[in-house]
Amino acid sequence: EIVLTQSPGTLSLSPGERATLSCRASQSLSSNFLAWYQQKPGQAPRLLIYDASSRATGIPDRFSGSGSGTDFTLAISRLEPEDFAVYYCHQYSGSRTFGQGTKVEI
Amino acid sequence: QVQLVQSGAEVKKPGASVRVSCKASGYIVTNYHLHWVRQAPGQGLEWMAIINPTGIYTTYTPKFQGRITMTRDTSTNTVYMDLSSLRPDDTAVYFCARGSQQVPGVYWGQGTLVTVSS
Repeated sequence: EIVLTQSPGTLSLSPGERATLSCRASQSLSSNFLAWYQQKPGQAPRLLIYDASSRATGIPDRFSGSGSGTDFTLAISRLEPEDFAVYYCHQYSGSRTFGQGTKVEI
Repeated sequence: QVQLVQSGAEVKKPGASVRVSCKASGYIVTNYHLHWVRQAPGQGLEWMAIINPTGIYTTYTPKFQGRITMTRDTSTNTVYMDLSSLRPDDTAVYFCARGSQQVPGVYWGQGTLVTVSS
């Protein structure tokens, strides 16, 4: 099983600041099969990024994904109030797994 | 517009089975993959399974092998997920999500809370 480790566990930032979230895989992901999801309390997850760097439909361009192999990053260029949430990475290179999540809080 | 509406909350005893339904509207279930993802209270996400558009091919996370079954009713445009031999640690919110072969995509159900308790 491919283990995804996200860091930091919690990120405390202010609106307007840049957020950088990390996701490290225990083994290299083929074809950069990694996605990022945002989840707010009581809601279903929302797909942000797939294939490491492709934005999903309707996702603002302040969200960007990068990385390859075992190291991946989600960046939010300028945090809006609605961006404070939990973010999960998800790999679909092997038997699919999620990371444990990074909480972005004010 | 595309919507996925799931069945209501369930309370089950250990050892029982549960069926969660996911009724699609705005598209036909034979055209897209459907994923199941669950989330235990206060915990992270766990990918469970996928059924392909034909309904013939299903893939499960190994830990659910032998306990999970997915079926479809094309007459009602509904996908079902059955989980058997329930344990207290199966207590979670279960989500269905339309997606590609690779990932759960933009459209998700509202979630179904399944509580397993004696």
